[in-house]
Amino acid sequence: DVKVTQSSRYLVKRTGEKVFLECVQDMDHENMFWYRQDPGLGLRLIYFSYDVKMKEKGDIPEGYSVSREKKERFSLILESASTNQTSMYLCASSFPSVQETQYFGPGTRLLVL
Amino acid sequence: DAKTTQPNSMESNEEEPVHLPCNHSTISGTDYIHWYRQLPSQGPEYVIHGLTSNVNNRMASLAIAEDRKSSTLILHRATLRDAAVYYCILRRYYGGSQGNLIFGKGTKLSVKP
Repeated sequence: DVKVTQSSRYLVKRTGEKVFLECVQDMDHENMFWYRQDPGLGLRLIYFSYDVKMKEKGDIPEGYSVSREKKERFSLILESASTNQTSMYLCASSFPSVQETQYFGPGTRLLVL
Repeated sequence: DAKTTQPNSMESNEEEPVHLPCNHSTISGTDYIHWYRQLPSQGPEYVIHGLTSNVNNRMASLAIAEDRKSSTLILHRATLRDAAVYYCILRRYYGGSQGNLIFGKGTKLSVKP
């Protein structure tokens, strides 16, 4: 079974802190994604990556950066956390194909105080 | 990606079939119809996908209208574990990677014992 793991299920940080969210997948997938999910807004794409060291902006990249130094690992970085970044963060990975099923991690619920 | 329309919520009784509708009147010839679901406190998971023909797998069936402007996800015998938000998503295939999934608000399915 494909496994996508995220470093934390719950995280509490203070405004201005630098926050790292890590995602690891074990299926050698080329594609990896970071979404955030907020009530009433659904899932929105922050960044994605098609290969090591490659990244593309999604719909809401402001205030975030990403890093993909190894194929299996995709990190989301909040450079200076703000209260409006309180959200559920979901990581996903996929293999490029017609079907391209995306496999999601369990999510990290981040609270910024 | 073309837009999909789903009811906000539906209710079902346990052990009964459930038909979850999705309208996609602006679908194009190369759009695949994907369904994902999200159980409470979990990341989304893939359910099924199709292009033109009806599809079956161990989780569900997908019935696609002849003109492809609508589709229906069928759960043959709903269980309490099927209570989730179900998302209908269109993915355009260009060849190679398809990029991010665009989630709408989905249909929240409640299952009564």
